[in-house]
Amino acid sequence: EAQVTQNPRYLITVTGKKLTVTCSQNMNHEYMSWYRQDPGLGLRQIYYSMNVEVTDKGDVPEGYKVSRKEKRNFPLILESPSPNQTSLYFCASRGMTYNEQFFGPGTRLTVL
Amino acid sequence: GQQVMQIPQYQHVQEGEDFTTYCNSSTTLSNIQWYKQRPGGHPVFLIQLVKSGEVKKQKRLTFQFGEAKKNSSLHITATQTTDVGTYFCAGPWGFKTIFGAGTRLFVKA
Repeated sequence: EAQVTQNPRYLITVTGKKLTVTCSQNMNHEYMSWYRQDPGLGLRQIYYSMNVEVTDKGDVPEGYKVSRKEKRNFPLILESPSPNQTSLYFCASRGMTYNEQFFGPGTRLTVL
Repeated sequence: GQQVMQIPQYQHVQEGEDFTTYCNSSTTLSNIQWYKQRPGGHPVFLIQLVKSGEVKKQKRLTFQFGEAKKNSSLHITATQTTDVGTYFCAGPWGFKTIFGAGTRLFVKA
């Protein structure tokens, strides 16, 4: 089954404790993205990657890092989380010839 | 930077009434996509529009792309309770994707 998986689905952590949210897709998609969703603000792109070892900033990259060492995986790293990073995070992927994005189930992060 | 404005933010309708959400971009778009997110779920792709003035239908849903390719709309005829959720438009800006803030639809049976 074609899908995007994210882990963990829920995470409560404390300020400053490094964390990683994993994302994996099995559709051989080149393009992968991370979004955060906050009430009234819709989905805002954090980072995107057009292929292995190619990443770039989206609209809200501050406080986040990403890596793309393998085509299927695109982890999101928060090296020193802060309460303003409390949000719902989605990973998404798509091919390069069509813009339909496939979203993961989401990760709800709370930073205390 | 590019902005994609979407209105209304919320819409309450009685089951059977029609619903429309509007999306406006500050710049011309090469294409626009629409997504639906059910409560507690993740966004799911509905459709992509590419051509100026394009109109596409999916059962009770009608999607339009403006002549200037700066605006778009989604119209639902005779809403049903299964239509509840948030509808987002999204457009490309370079290699980025910009989403509208979404319109949340509530349907009262």
